[in-house]
Amino acid sequence: DSGVTQTPKHLITATGQRVTLRCSPRSGDLSVYWYQQSLDQGLQFLIQYYNGEERAKGNILERFSAQQFPDLHSELNLSSLELGDSALYFCASSARGQGSEKLFFGSGTQLSVL
Amino acid sequence: GQQVMQIPQYQHVQEGEDFTTYCNSSTTLSNIQWYKQRPGGHPVFLIQLVKSGEVKKQKRLTFQFGEAKKNSSLHITATQTTDVGTYFCAGGHAGKSTFGDGTTLTVKP
Repeated sequence: DSGVTQTPKHLITATGQRVTLRCSPRSGDLSVYWYQQSLDQGLQFLIQYYNGEERAKGNILERFSAQQFPDLHSELNLSSLELGDSALYFCASSARGQGSEKLFFGSGTQLSVL
Repeated sequence: GQQVMQIPQYQHVQEGEDFTTYCNSSTTLSNIQWYKQRPGGHPVFLIQLVKSGEVKKQKRLTFQFGEAKKNSSLHITATQTTDVGTYFCAGGHAGKSTFGDGTTLTVKP
């Protein structure tokens, strides 16, 4: 158990809809990262937050947004969903938010857009 | 931007054979990390290498960081069925880590 909690584990929705994925980092970790993993694909970095502030942005679509709350949990909002958004979304956390730190990954949210 | 390439994409071996995956960066790295993702699981940190030419071992796994700090390798000796999964490298540069696309290892018993 990595200590990173992601909910829900599975999400099935329709095209055009909006969903929210939630992540609670390990106790004491200040930084949260979001990654997208499509079938047989690598880990695509979406966005990173550190102590409530956006720190780095990757290949995140404009339809996607995220935030980190004062209690350090984070939410990833995906809107106007398309079939191609179906993927496994991972959250990871690290202690100080330095990009080359060891990352602890959650179990992921499997999103299926039908 | 920084690119991290990993080869091969897939490797199928007979149990007992050795396995190696290679990671190459377009830029000099400050460090490299390796992660393992079991089928249906999430990436789990294995190791971090920082020094030029560094070699670290974990039981049957040997990790190397190149002299120029632009490449790395993970070698597994005498694979076992428990080694199946996808192995990712992540290269650290300018405060960010970039993941390679991973090498998926299957082991035939």
